[in-house]
Amino acid sequence: QSALTQPRSVSGSPGQSVTISCTGTSSDVGGYNYVSWYQQHPGKAPKLMIYDVNKRPSGVPDRFSGSKSGNTASLTISGLQAEDEADYYCCSYAVYNWVFGGGTKLTVL
Amino acid sequence: EVQLVESGGGLVQPGGSLRLSCAASGFTFSSYEMNWVRQAPGKGLEWVSYIGVSGTTIYYADSVTGRFTISRDNAKKSLYLQMNSLTAEDTAIYYCARDLGPYSSAAYDYWGQGILVTISS
Repeated sequence: QSALTQPRSVSGSPGQSVTISCTGTSSDVGGYNYVSWYQQHPGKAPKLMIYDVNKRPSGVPDRFSGSKSGNTASLTISGLQAEDEADYYCCSYAVYNWVFGGGTKLTVL
Repeated sequence: EVQLVESGGGLVQPGGSLRLSCAASGFTFSSYEMNWVRQAPGKGLEWVSYIGVSGTTIYYADSVTGRFTISRDNAKKSLYLQMNSLTAEDTAIYYCARDLGPYSSAAYDYWGQGILVTISS
């Protein structure tokens, strides 16, 4: 199972919005509404930010939102804050397999 | 408070074996599906293995099939990963991660702090 494709890096200024894409195939992202997004700060464990494409766990700010179109899922962060600077990973179910994206480093300028 | 604490990592020679443990607390362990996810130094996340609530449903990533064995002991509230025939490519931080629930997938809502496994001669 190949890793999902994410941009290596994105950046934005405080208050702006950024979108991170996650491209897979019809066998993973496009085939199921089981896409999740994780935030990881250096030296820390990942944190679930979005699941089932667009659901937010309790405690996650509504500045974080998810969507999907065809084989590509997206994470949008609005009203960027300094603490949003981190690595972000998408993950998708893929029939008795789960596959992550390569990760995107978000820099808040 | 939900807690997952991994142990058993360390330095092992190529071809060796290691058994990781993950002690769970703060929730009904027997009701949750569990996973192992790893992260090589400076690299991204890689799903390794899944186990269902009773331990009878198990899946592995192709990269570890035939070498790794996942198991759980619900009475001890513990998750395990037996790793054999280890290679340098298995060097990583290994995380145990809890599934959010039976109606979602790829949703890991709690993670351990991670344990480092280093394969080197």
